[in-house]
Amino acid sequence: GQQVMQIPQYQHVQEGEDFTTYCNSSTTLSNIQWYKQRPGGHPVFLIQLVKSGEVKKQKRLTFQFGEAKKNSSLHITATQTTDVGTYFCAATNKLIFGTGTLLAVQP
Amino acid sequence: DGGITQSPKYLFRKEGQNVTLSCEQNLNHDAMYWYRQDPGQGLRLIYYSQIVNDFQKGDIAEGYSVSREKKESFPLTVTSAQKNPTAFYLCASSTSTGITGELFFGEGSRLTVL
Repeated sequence: GQQVMQIPQYQHVQEGEDFTTYCNSSTTLSNIQWYKQRPGGHPVFLIQLVKSGEVKKQKRLTFQFGEAKKNSSLHITATQTTDVGTYFCAATNKLIFGTGTLLAVQP
Repeated sequence: DGGITQSPKYLFRKEGQNVTLSCEQNLNHDAMYWYRQDPGQGLRLIYYSQIVNDFQKGDIAEGYSVSREKKESFPLTVTSAQKNPTAFYLCASSTSTGITGELFFGEGSRLTVL
């Protein structure tokens, strides 16, 4: 069946460093969404990507959808302590979530 | 304020007992979902419903049951047949029955089976 893999599982950075998480699918996706879950909280929607090669930005966050629509990435520039949490990608047409990347930011 | 309400937030039960988790939304969304989250893992789909009186099994439906008698409500019952029920349960809803809409999540219910 379809799988959505995310790497890395865990990333620890110093505040101000950049961070990237990658999402890879075994099959072509119609769209991909990204969510953030703060420790002890629930997932909150960040963005949806639909078009091949699409790039979207939200302040320090940059989201990219691969040309083949099989992979996606989330890049955070100059991390802050408020960025702490687990970031999930989701292939919502298949109702499949990635395993998530836990980001820890040291002040 | 519109949103999704899950209750209870924390629940302790003895092994062998059935448990029902409540999920109510006032967002007028057609689609509703139940996910299970285990420590350090992603979300796994248990059941989903795209319309009242209809629902489909997700990847891990065994040991669970649901109903969708009203648009606003999608309760999940964790039965005694579920081998490892201790987990964090998340309910979500979305506007699109094509399952491409943004998912709105409730705050979750943490079930511990003693």
